[in-house]
Amino acid sequence: AQKITQTQPGMFVQEKEAVTLDCTYDTSDQSYGLFWYKQPSSGEMIFLIYQGSYDEQNATEGRYSLNFQKARKSANLVISASQLGDSAMYFCAMERGTGGGNKLTFGTGTQLKVEL
Amino acid sequence: GAVVSQHPSRVICKSGTSVKIECRSLDFQATTMFWYRQFPKQSLMLMATSNEGSKATYEQGVEKDKFLINHASLTLSTLTVTSAHPEDSSFYICSAITGLAGSGANVLTFGAGSRLTVL
Repeated sequence: AQKITQTQPGMFVQEKEAVTLDCTYDTSDQSYGLFWYKQPSSGEMIFLIYQGSYDEQNATEGRYSLNFQKARKSANLVISASQLGDSAMYFCAMERGTGGGNKLTFGTGTQLKVEL
Repeated sequence: GAVVSQHPSRVICKSGTSVKIECRSLDFQATTMFWYRQFPKQSLMLMATSNEGSKATYEQGVEKDKFLINHASLTLSTLTVTSAHPEDSSFYICSAITGLAGSGANVLTFGAGSRLTVL
């Protein structure tokens, strides 16, 4: 069974600073995908970044980067130059199994608050 | 980009009544959609996979007779909460598979969610 662990229920960061949100995972699959989603207070889930298990380079999308350490089974999200609008809940998720058809297993989330 | 529209965004109903939530893919066809449930301040839990033209696949522990899913067309999946009770109050959110430009990996695009309150 797959498991996603996010150990930081809440994080604070000052505007313009960088912040790292932790995510570790457990799977016996060789092929898998890791995702980060952002959920503002309005509720919608917004896709941020994706990392495939066979991708050799860390994924980057604008101010978001994923620090993928396969041996440690970690996929931390780094947000650079934090903005007030980054305040939201952040979920790490894993695609379930090989060809799992995009069934995602989510972590418990980290509430990020960006302060002035 | 791909848009998934969910309606209603909020619904309040009396205990014992049924409530239907719609999930539409607006500018693409979705043969598969997923329904998730989220309790306050908790993670998303997959309830079922909705397949166009066939029966939905439910996750373990999800009552298929309580949560009826119909995927009658390539752009519409509906979730009906039958004989709703207060414990069914939750945030229900649907999603569909859309492509991820660049890497080619598939990614889920989510609707805005529907908050159900059962009195």
